[in-house]
Amino acid sequence: QKEVEQDPGPLSVPEGAIVSLNCTYSNSAFQYFMWYRQYSRKGPELLMYTYSSGNKEDGRFTAQVDKSSKYISLFIRDSQPSDSATYLCAMTRGTSYDKVIFGPGTSLSVIP
Amino acid sequence: GAVVSQHPSWVICKSGTSVKIECRSLDFQATTMFWYRQFPKQSLMLMATSNEGSKATYEQGVEKDKFLINHASLTLSTLTVTSAHPEDSSFYICSARRDRGYNEQFFGPGTRLTVL
Repeated sequence: QKEVEQDPGPLSVPEGAIVSLNCTYSNSAFQYFMWYRQYSRKGPELLMYTYSSGNKEDGRFTAQVDKSSKYISLFIRDSQPSDSATYLCAMTRGTSYDKVIFGPGTSLSVIP
Repeated sequence: GAVVSQHPSWVICKSGTSVKIECRSLDFQATTMFWYRQFPKQSLMLMATSNEGSKATYEQGVEKDKFLINHASLTLSTLTVTSAHPEDSSFYICSARRDRGYNEQFFGPGTRLTVL
């Protein structure tokens, strides 16, 4: 079983839809969770950063962490064509030199 | 804040030559920098972790002598692909982490290497 799993998609939605992106993980020691957006041929861009369980909202983006289920989500409201990208979840235990483990990414297309 | 640059953004070289890629944190000091490789439509593959002033830690299967990493200062890390071959053609991305206690990584824009 991989440490972090993510549906690779592709996921295609109409403009204005609510998008739900999800990751599951196996290591209960993970405490810090991140979502990155990567456009084609570009480096990933940090979107959201959360610690432990709970929700965090930033504009149209909401990150949810459910540590009891080892499940994290990213919701995008009022999706725009410019949201079309690959979304990577990432997580770490948080010790000083601990590696960040990335999911394989979900490809999202928002159709005008 | 938290901007990371990479240079060059793309490079084409002949087989057998060496290529150096620079990664700079522009507005923060990065105690740790990471180098990733990414093939088309695939996720990031961590190659090595470098801490300022010490030797890089390479992931299993990554050749240390082929991919030389130098983290010379708190704002600069370099990756040198030595004696490059066509199979080394890929998208190389660096990321930087601020101080200990910070977990977010900030990525550079990537360097596309094509070896002919």
